[in-house]
Amino acid sequence: QQQVKQSPQSLIVQKGGIPIINCAYENTAFDYFPWYQQFPGKGPALLIAIRPDVSEKKEGRFTISFNKSAKQFSLHIMDSQPGDSATYFCAASGASGGSYIPTFGRGTSLIVHP
Amino acid sequence: EPEVTQTPSHQVTQMGQEVILRCVPISNHLYFYWYRQILGQKVEFLVSFYNNEISEKSEIFDDQFSVERPDGSNFTLKIRSTKLEDSAMYFCASSREGNSNQPQHFGDGTRLSIL
Repeated sequence: QQQVKQSPQSLIVQKGGIPIINCAYENTAFDYFPWYQQFPGKGPALLIAIRPDVSEKKEGRFTISFNKSAKQFSLHIMDSQPGDSATYFCAASGASGGSYIPTFGRGTSLIVHP
Repeated sequence: EPEVTQTPSHQVTQMGQEVILRCVPISNHLYFYWYRQILGQKVEFLVSFYNNEISEKSEIFDDQFSVERPDGSNFTLKIRSTKLEDSAMYFCASSREGNSNQPQHFGDGTRLSIL
């Protein structure tokens, strides 16, 4: 019940395309859903996060869509650029048992071709 | 912007040897974490630390692991007798608070290779 399932495992798009990465969770106590971006040789960096009281959050070219009833959330990257090539991890955390430790998805390796 | 720094960037150790991974969290952060990422797999939580004691740990964090904050700036992870399966990237993270959904800031990791 603590799992976060992420798909696809890898994604290749052309510059300007809109890659979409999907995540699903089971634990209804999760109430914070961050996305992390990880470049090779670097640690994960928080990209954008959403709470379940809104259905969408946008920061620059990055948008999270959240569907509470389906227990799914997704990351959309508008006008993708080669510099967006990285591994993206979704995560979920919440007050279940008092823990705010994020559970991570398996990651999506995104390549944006020039 | 303040960063979490980790040393060394790469550690090669013989199986059975002890290894200490070091981290300097962001200075005004109070909560510290260690995560591990086996090559090609997801980031896994190991342990969280607050007020000089472990606040939460995963089943991965067995008796071979220990953490310490030996002074006001460093936060260390010790693996007592390393095994081949300990080979992974180890990430340290810190956050200002741990009892709310505060973002965790990650270091660039230490690649641990066990021979």
